[in-house]
Amino acid sequence: AQSVTQPDIHITVSEGASLELRCNYSYGATPYLFWYVQSPGQGLQLLLKYFSGDTLVQGIKGFEAEFKRSQSSFNLRKPSVHWSDAAEYFCAVAEWASGTYKYIFGTGTRLKVLA
Amino acid sequence: DGGITQSPKYLFRKEGQNVTLSCEQNLNHDAMYWYRQDPGQGLRLIYYSQIVNDFQKGDIAEGYSVSREKKESFPLTVTSAQKNPTAFYLCASLRETGELFFGEGSRLTVL
Repeated sequence: AQSVTQPDIHITVSEGASLELRCNYSYGATPYLFWYVQSPGQGLQLLLKYFSGDTLVQGIKGFEAEFKRSQSSFNLRKPSVHWSDAAEYFCAVAEWASGTYKYIFGTGTRLKVLA
Repeated sequence: DGGITQSPKYLFRKEGQNVTLSCEQNLNHDAMYWYRQDPGQGLRLIYYSQIVNDFQKGDIAEGYSVSREKKESFPLTVTSAQKNPTAFYLCASLRETGELFFGEGSRLTVL
């Protein structure tokens, strides 16, 4: 079965510092990969996705992620964090099953931003 | 604007009661999904449906049931057989561009 691992449960950074959130996946074929963000008590919002092509993908709110097949990773980065980025971040992979896509999520990384 | 409406946002129930969570979308999406979210466990798939009158069990379907009588609606029933139903429940639909679009969620608390 496919799986997604987010090794960091919590990350704390200072405002203005750079950020990298780690994501590793297991999937035999070329994966479809996603990063979502969730504010407390809210649904999830898509930040960016990778299907194919350029391995560095740009998303909303200044985020980017790089797909590295050799490392089975899809890490999320931001050069300068803002206080409003404090939230929980989820990495996900899509697998084809029973005629549609199933989406497997990691356990999430909660980001705290210090003023 | 198009979107997904989940209701109620907060729900309390006594042990032994069934409860139904509503999910309605006006996005004309074919596939819909139900996830359960618990702290530290991420999102776990309960049920999903690709088309009307068809649905499949996800990874944690025990104690839950769904129906898909209309394209717009995918209600989830949490039955008394679900041993630990207190959680945040998220409904989503699949965009044509390949990503999930989520509702705002429903928080169920069993007293």
